[in-house]
Amino acid sequence: DTGVSQDPRHKITKRGQNVTFRCDPISEHNRLYWYRQTLGQGPEFLTYFQNEAQLEKSRLLSDRFSAERPKGSFSTLEIQRTEQGDSAMYLCASTVQGLREKLFFGSGTQLSVL
Amino acid sequence: TQLLEQSPQFLSIQEGENLTVYCNSSSVFSSLQWYRQEPGEGPVLLVTVVTGGEVKKLKRLTFQFGDARKDSSLHITAAQPGDTGLYLCAGAAGNKLTFGGGTRVLVKP
Repeated sequence: DTGVSQDPRHKITKRGQNVTFRCDPISEHNRLYWYRQTLGQGPEFLTYFQNEAQLEKSRLLSDRFSAERPKGSFSTLEIQRTEQGDSAMYLCASTVQGLREKLFFGSGTQLSVL
Repeated sequence: TQLLEQSPQFLSIQEGENLTVYCNSSSVFSSLQWYRQEPGEGPVLLVTVVTGGEVKKLKRLTFQFGDARKDSSLHITAAQPGDTGLYLCAGAAGNKLTFGGGTRVLVKP
């Protein structure tokens, strides 16, 4: 399977705990995006990378959120001190440079904060 | 902040009927994409429209980009139960996509 892979698919955690999600993009894609989607809403932009450089972060992204893409391959999204409002589907997408190219999404990580 | 508003939010129709979903914004986008999303999965791209006034057809789906590149519509002819899903429009500006809130379509057999 050469699609975008996200792990885990589901995560249940208690409020205050830290969680980390992983995204493996399509191998030749140099751009990687993180989005968050709550039930009944469209995806909301969080951040994106071109190769290993994080080029833009949403103002909605609090300092509890951090993302990395070491070596420009896989990416991780960490949420520290989780809150119930962090419960959402976290989607990763990758593409070749230029948004007219097809954006490939993974199946997402569903986070539930109790 | 660039916002995309989709209407209606929910649409329930019988198999064989036609439907139209609208995507409107006050902002101009360099391109606009339509995605469909199934429960528990990520969105899948259906089409990209780039030129103002552009019309693209994908089998029973017709996509139109407004002349001013601020709005778009998706029309489905003779809808089938397999068309059920969340339809999302997304506008490209800079290097990111801004998504609308989605239209949930239910096609009943």
